[in-house]
Amino acid sequence: DTGVSQNPRHKITKRGQNVTFRCDPISEHNRLYWYRQTLGQGPEFLTYFQNEAQLEKSRLLSDRFSAERPKGSFSTLEIQRTEQGDSAMYLCASSWPRLAGGEYEQYFGPGTRLTVT
Amino acid sequence: AQSVTQLGSHVSVSEGALVLLRCNYSSSVPPYLFWYVQYPNQGLQLLLKYTSAATLVKGINDFEAEFKKSETSFHLTKPSAHMSDAAEYFCAVIQNTGNQFYFGTGTSLTVIP
Repeated sequence: DTGVSQNPRHKITKRGQNVTFRCDPISEHNRLYWYRQTLGQGPEFLTYFQNEAQLEKSRLLSDRFSAERPKGSFSTLEIQRTEQGDSAMYLCASSWPRLAGGEYEQYFGPGTRLTVT
Repeated sequence: AQSVTQLGSHVSVSEGALVLLRCNYSSSVPPYLFWYVQYPNQGLQLLLKYTSAATLVKGINDFEAEFKKSETSFHLTKPSAHMSDAAEYFCAVIQNTGNQFYFGTGTSLTVIP
């Protein structure tokens, strides 16, 4: 068990470009979450998957954002036509509901820091 | 709607002194509560959680927190601060029927040698 991994760790892009981030959860975890964290703030929920199904999306997830988890393992988060306001840390977390209380214990990756210039 | 409020965005303590980080929640139903720690350029690590069992919860690295329903609080304490405790601390709440964590804005802890 190597924990939740995210790639890339840092991404600098120009406004208007598309970017894609990847998250690899802990292997036996079937729930996967995406959060956004801006400077001086706590993480804000974006969306979550149970296996390959995207079950909930935040109002923060505009039409320019799309997330997938095609085989119920890794997930990608794509941002189209990036804006400067998209600059943030994007965090991924996973959990395993079958453990007693496990659904409430989320394990976080190191995050991908996006800078839009 | 659920939310958490962390009083004090910055807290400084001397090494060896008591650490007290405050968290108050608002929830219409009994929530589950968590404290996470975040070191620079890293993800969040779970310190401890309250899920309606014992109201005094012990976590890693000698941290503990007490759930007080009458005060809607879940303050984090540690008897003796260590230099390695310097980090950002986040309180979070989730309703037992929900899937979203709601995080506070965080408290940055500085430990003075």
